[in-house]
Amino acid sequence: QLQLQESGPGLVKPSETLSLTCTVSGGSISSSSYYWGWIRQPPGKGLEWIGSIYYSGSTYYNPSLKSRVTISVDTSKNQFSLKLSSVTAADTAVYYCARDRTQLALRTNWFDPWGQGTLVTVSS
Amino acid sequence: SYELTQPPSVSVSPGQTARITCSADALPKQYAYWYQQKPGQAPVLVIYKDSERPSGIPERFSGSSSGTTVTLTISGVQAEDEADYYCQSADSSGTRVFGGGTKLTVL
Repeated sequence: QLQLQESGPGLVKPSETLSLTCTVSGGSISSSSYYWGWIRQPPGKGLEWIGSIYYSGSTYYNPSLKSRVTISVDTSKNQFSLKLSSVTAADTAVYYCARDRTQLALRTNWFDPWGQGTLVTVSS
Repeated sequence: SYELTQPPSVSVSPGQTARITCSADALPKQYAYWYQQKPGQAPVLVIYKDSERPSGIPERFSGSSSGTTVTLTISGVQAEDEADYYCQSADSSGTRVFGGGTKLTVL
């Protein structure tokens, strides 16, 4: 059974860079047809997609966050990572990683399964 | 940008049918997906490709599509179905989009 687990600091100072890693177990991150995504949820608010990456390094980013986001993959460790620069209090959220099942020919995708999420607070 | 619009809240009594809509603001409409999120938990996929149900999801969950609107239907609602529900799709450039979410209250 595929499982994903987020890890990283729970507190980040304003203007610094948020860094998180998602470790995939029970399956290979190099599987075809699967991207790997990051989604966040501010407290009491809805879901926001951040970006997704393929094992080859191909990425899709949310245009509203693209200038501050870098997603990378390490196939040797079965992990992918998120970096979000110049953070502010508005970036405080639960950050989820998820498998992004992508069918490019149909221009469609869905997220399943999801990690449990990790709360990142931006505060001095 | 591609947007998905959901009603903020829906309320039903146990045993009744709940319908949650998700409207896309543009054509062509892409496939839509539905997630259930209970408090303090990660979202769980309950419907994919408009109307397909993943294994392990109860049969009372179903999905349909008409024009630019997709609908999640929960027949015979149970107390355990009380949760937030999100629709999700993607535009032609690959940008993934979520609806604002609908809080389902079981009275």
